[in-house]
Amino acid sequence: DGGITQSPKYLFRKEGQNVTLSCEQNLNHDAMYWYRQDPGQGLRLIYYSQIVNDFQKGDIAEGYSVSREKKESFPLTVTSAQKNPTAFYLCASRDQAGGSYEQYFGPGTRLTVT
Amino acid sequence: EDKVVQSPLSLVVHEGDTVTLNCSYEVTNFRSLLWYKQEKKAPTFLFMLTSSGIEKKSGRLSSILDKKELFSILNITATQTGDSAVYLCAVESRDDKIIFGKGTRLHILP
Repeated sequence: DGGITQSPKYLFRKEGQNVTLSCEQNLNHDAMYWYRQDPGQGLRLIYYSQIVNDFQKGDIAEGYSVSREKKESFPLTVTSAQKNPTAFYLCASRDQAGGSYEQYFGPGTRLTVT
Repeated sequence: EDKVVQSPLSLVVHEGDTVTLNCSYEVTNFRSLLWYKQEKKAPTFLFMLTSSGIEKKSGRLSSILDKKELFSILNITATQTGDSAVYLCAVESRDDKIIFGKGTRLHILP
């Protein structure tokens, strides 16, 4: 089946550790996005990538890093520099060429840092 | 700075009522406005609007965009308890950046 997968669903880490969240899509979409969601905050854009080997910072990129070595994969690393990493993280992808502009979301990863 | 503002932030109505959710925006190089419904986890797509004054409709939901006044509304008629969710508005700019509002939390009482 086509879609976006994020793993793991729940992730627990100790403060000071870097952690990488996985996002994979088999929809052949060019663009991929990472969002963070906190209660009452809606979705805030962390990073996005329009094409392989290229990505741009979103509104809250500090303390995060990404890579886009393959079209299918857009992993997000939450570094120890991120002051409040506990949140729900959503990955999305979109077909740039299709013209529909609809984003497809993964199921999300809930990260808890203690 | 680009921003998307939704109102109200929360709304409680009775089943059968009609609700109107608002979304205003300030975005450089606007391309489209999107509405999503989020119940438990990932948002699900409702509408994409690119042109002013053209209503998009799906069942009891409808939406319209005003590019001159920079806002959109999402209407839900004859609400049902299954409509209870957070409704997210997002605006896309021509550089493919997508900014979300904080959402409107809608609760329908039986």
